Formats: sequence, C-alpha cells, structure tokens
Amino acid sequence: NAGVTQTPKFQVLKTGQSMTLQCAQDMNHEYMSWYRQDPGMGLRLIHYSVGAGITDQGEVPNGYNVSRSTTEDFPLRLLSAAPSQTSVYFCASSSRGGVKEQFFGPGTRLTVL
Amino acid sequence: AQTVTQSQPEMSVQEAETVTLSCTYDTSESDYYLFWYKQPPSRQMILVIRQEAYKQQNATENRFSVNFQKAAKSFSLKISDSQLGDAAMYFCAYRRRSGGGADGLTFGKGTHLIIQP
Repeated sequence: NAGVTQTPKFQVLKTGQSMTLQCAQDMNHEYMSWYRQDPGMGLRLIHYSVGAGITDQGEVPNGYNVSRSTTEDFPLRLLSAAPSQTSVYFCASSSRGGVKEQFFGPGTRLTVL
Repeated sequence: AQTVTQSQPEMSVQEAETVTLSCTYDTSESDYYLFWYKQPPSRQMILVIRQEAYKQQNATENRFSVNFQKAAKSFSLKISDSQLGDAAMYFCAYRRRSGGGADGLTFGKGTHLIIQP
C-alpha cells in the first residue's frame, strides 16, 4: 500500500513551458485535491475532485487544469508556466465517509525561471 | 468562506517542557472537523490530531492534546514533554462536514516550532 504518490519530486521549467504533475492513490479514495504551498501562506487549494469525471475549482485555480478519468489518478497540468507558479505542490486524497482525514503525497517542488 | 488563523509564526520551547500552539477559525457552519498537521523538514504532511466539532470531549493522542472551544472558535494544540523530533511546522486546518467536505481543507499559515535541547 503506497498511499499517495507524486512524480516528479523536483522540476525546473522555463516560463511558457507546459508540464503535468502526476498524482496517484491506491486507497480507493473518492476525494482528491491539489494544494500549493508558498512561504508564509500555508497550503491553498487549487482544484479538487469528488470522483472520476468530476472536478471543481478551489481557491487558486488560475493557470492550472485537472481531469480525473480514473479513481486512482488526478494529474495537474500547467499549460504555460509562470514564475508565480514556483511553489511546492501537494496532492491529497480522502474517503467520502468518516472524519475525512486527508492523506498527502510527498510533494513536488517546482521552480519556474 | 471559512478562515483559519495561526497568530504565532514561531514558537520556541525547551526539551521536555510543554508548549501550546494557538489556532482560531471563522465559519458559519455548525458541523465540521478540525485538524493539526505536522510538517518536518522532509515536507511530508503528517496528521497529528483531529477533532469533530459535535464532540465536546477534547481529542488526545499520547503527548498531544487539544483545547477545543467551539463558542470561541478556538482550537489550540498542547504538546507535553517536548522532544527534539517535534521540531517542525504545525498547521491548523478546517474541513466542513456539509457537502461531504469534498472541497478540501482550509489551512492556517503555520507555526514553526523550535525545540531547544
């Protein structure tokens, strides 16, 4: 049971490049979320999903796209990277029932030059 | 929209002493969940303790306990017998129960806890 996995762990992009951050979970969780963490800002919600085929925007969605074709995977796409997207990105998942503790992946540190 | 406020950017405590981290929140919901997460330098987010708003009893997990004051919208974390391994960023987080709580957690900005040997 790997929990929540994220790839890559580190990435450097140039302004205008695109990339996809991968996230997968093997706990059969319905809910998945993407957060970004900036110094002094805590974690802020980018997008979330309540199940395959269903996604919605969080607090800071601009510049990011998501899709969810399977229960396990929830990739985050940067269409045209900007220096303001330099951050640490966390994927998280939780079950629909219960106390709804979120389980977090190890994070991806992204630098946009 | 709900907000979570951690008013202490940094706290320092001597090893084996007790420290309390503060958290206040604002919400119009009556039923919700509150969490404390720990983030060591490895950056992994680790759940420390959780509290369900409808439960009056304060949650306890070994050396970690909370003081949940629903009317005051306060949710502080007490760490007893502090250990060097407790050094980390600590985040207070809120999750509403309505709508299944699908829309994730709202986090405070964090408190950096330093343990002095």
